[in-house]
Amino acid sequence: DGGITQSPKYLFRKEGQNVTLSCEQNLNHDAMYWYRQDPGQGLRLIYYSQIVNDFQKGDIAEGYSVSREKKESFPLTVTSAQKNPTAFYLCASRPGQGWADTQYFGPGTRLTVL
Amino acid sequence: AQSVTQPDIHITVSEGASLELRCNYSYGATPYLFWYVQSPGQGLQLLLKYFSGDTLVQGIKGFEAEFKRSQSSFNLRKPSVHWSDAAEYFCAVGARNAGNMLTFGGGTRLMVKP
Repeated sequence: DGGITQSPKYLFRKEGQNVTLSCEQNLNHDAMYWYRQDPGQGLRLIYYSQIVNDFQKGDIAEGYSVSREKKESFPLTVTSAQKNPTAFYLCASRPGQGWADTQYFGPGTRLTVL
Repeated sequence: AQSVTQPDIHITVSEGASLELRCNYSYGATPYLFWYVQSPGQGLQLLLKYFSGDTLVQGIKGFEAEFKRSQSSFNLRKPSVHWSDAAEYFCAVGARNAGNMLTFGGGTRLMVKP
């Protein structure tokens, strides 16, 4: 089945540790996105990538890093510089680079920093 | 900059009653609008989208939405709610450029009374 997978579903880390969230898609989509979701705030864009080896900062990129070495993979690293990393993280992908394409979402990873 | 407001944080309706979820947007040109639904702990599923043409858009699960340019609104409706519709609903506006960034509202949590 084609889709977007995120792993792990739940992640616990100690304060000060970097952690990497996985996002993989087998839909052959060009563009991929990372969002952060906090209660009552909707989703906020962290980073996005329209093609391999290229990515841009979103609204809340500070304390996060990404890479896009393969079309199907877009991992997100939450660094120790992120002041409040506990949140639900959603990955999305989009078929092409045209503005009319729809974004499709993965199931999410809930990160809790202890 | 674009923005989305969902005025109702929580709504409770009885099963079988009609539903309307409000969404107001701010965007400098003709908007590209979406409604997504999220079950607890899950990713987002697209219900419907509007980018041109008929202002009344039909979606999945019996939902529809109407784009009203004069009111800057894109309200979601369903004539008869089912208990399985209990979830959180997000309205989003998309940028009409190659990046296709989505800006989300804060969400409306729908509860359904038996």
